Formats: sequence, structure tokens, C-alpha cells
Amino acid sequence: GAVVSQHPSRVICKSGTSVKIECRSLDFQATTMFWYRQFPKQSLMLMATSNEGSKATYEQGVEKDKFLINHASLTLSTLTVTSAHPEDSSFYICSARTAGSGANVLTFGAGSRLTVL
Amino acid sequence: AQTVTQSQPEMSVQEAETVTLSCTYDTSESDYYLFWYKQPPSRQMILVIRQEAYKQQNATENRFSVNFQKAAKSFSLKISDSQLGDAAMYFCAYRNYGGSQGNLIFGKGTKLSVKP
Repeated sequence: GAVVSQHPSRVICKSGTSVKIECRSLDFQATTMFWYRQFPKQSLMLMATSNEGSKATYEQGVEKDKFLINHASLTLSTLTVTSAHPEDSSFYICSARTAGSGANVLTFGAGSRLTVL
Repeated sequence: AQTVTQSQPEMSVQEAETVTLSCTYDTSESDYYLFWYKQPPSRQMILVIRQEAYKQQNATENRFSVNFQKAAKSFSLKISDSQLGDAAMYFCAYRNYGGSQGNLIFGKGTKLSVKP
């Protein structure tokens, strides 16, 4: 089946630094990828939708300059948290959707836990 | 806008017994998909079961089945013969049919505990 690899699984950084999280579709081409944020004991909140070769679409309230999303190829999307602050500490999850059969199913990465000191 | 509601923050079931998790949703669309995802302590989201709204037959996947009531906008998950490995957060999710985006809208989740 489809596999999405997300890296790193855990990252700790100092306040003010930037952190990049990668999301790769390993055995399929992902025309669309989604980035979610999950606070402890809460549900997944969609941050942005990333389409290959075009600008990401951000949800209301998500700062596009802080959460930079790049989807340069059909197998890779990256989320960069710029000038991270402790309030950005969270669990970030990506998911990918294919353009072909099974497009009604999203495959999720294992998530990345970001801790900003 | 579509919404998904899970009214049970926590549920508990005895091993080998049956449990039903509730989910209701609101939409003005007639074609859509509904999903149940499982998130164990590892935090990996795992698809449990899905239902196409145009299908009247309830989806079934081994010990997991749904009761889809389109008119009532209800989509409950039944887990039969519960196992210890079923313990996890369960999220109900909605997705519009077609379109260029197709992101999922999640409920707040139900934490399921399985007692040995």
C-alpha cells in the first residue's frame, strides 16, 4: 500500500531558529499533500494544502510567513517553521493524496513532534 | 461549512466485548466520504474503515463495521470482539466528494480503553 515517510520524527530547537519537516510519498506520486497540527489530546487541525508546483493554500489563522510550505516535486513536500517560538511546539502530521485510483483515501505520515525551547 | 461531532470523549470496553463509537456530521452535500481513523500511542494515523455516501450498504472490515444513517447524518463505528490492540484514539472524519482539494475534516476524537 501507499506509504508516507515523515522526517524528523522528533526535533528540539532553540527559540528563534527554523526547523524543516519533510514529507515524502515513497511509492506513489502525491499531487496534493496536507499539513495538520495536533495539540495534546486534541484533534487534527488542517494548516494548509500543498499542491505540486503551486503555492500552498493556508487555512484561516495560519501564518503563511511562519509556516512555509514547499511542494517542489510529486513525492516531496516540506514544512518550515521559521523563527520558532515555544508556542509553535506541537505535533505536525502530513498526509498525501494521489491523483489516480484510491484518491478518496489519504495516507498519513507518522508525524513530527516539535519542541521549541 | 461541514462539521464532525464526536460526543464521547472517552469510552471503555471489556476485552472480547463489543463497543460502538458515535459520530454525527453536518453537510449540505449529497456526495461525500466518511472515515474512521485510529491513532494509537505511536500517533500514526491508521485508516480503519471508510464509507461512500452514495452507498446504502454499511461498510465492514473484519471486526469493524459502521452504521451509516445518511438522513440522520450519523456514522457510528462498531468494534466487535475488542482486543487490547484496539485501544487508541478514534477519529471520525468527513471529506467532500471530488473537487481539487479534498482535505479531511476531523471530529475531536474518542479515546477507547480496552480492559483485559
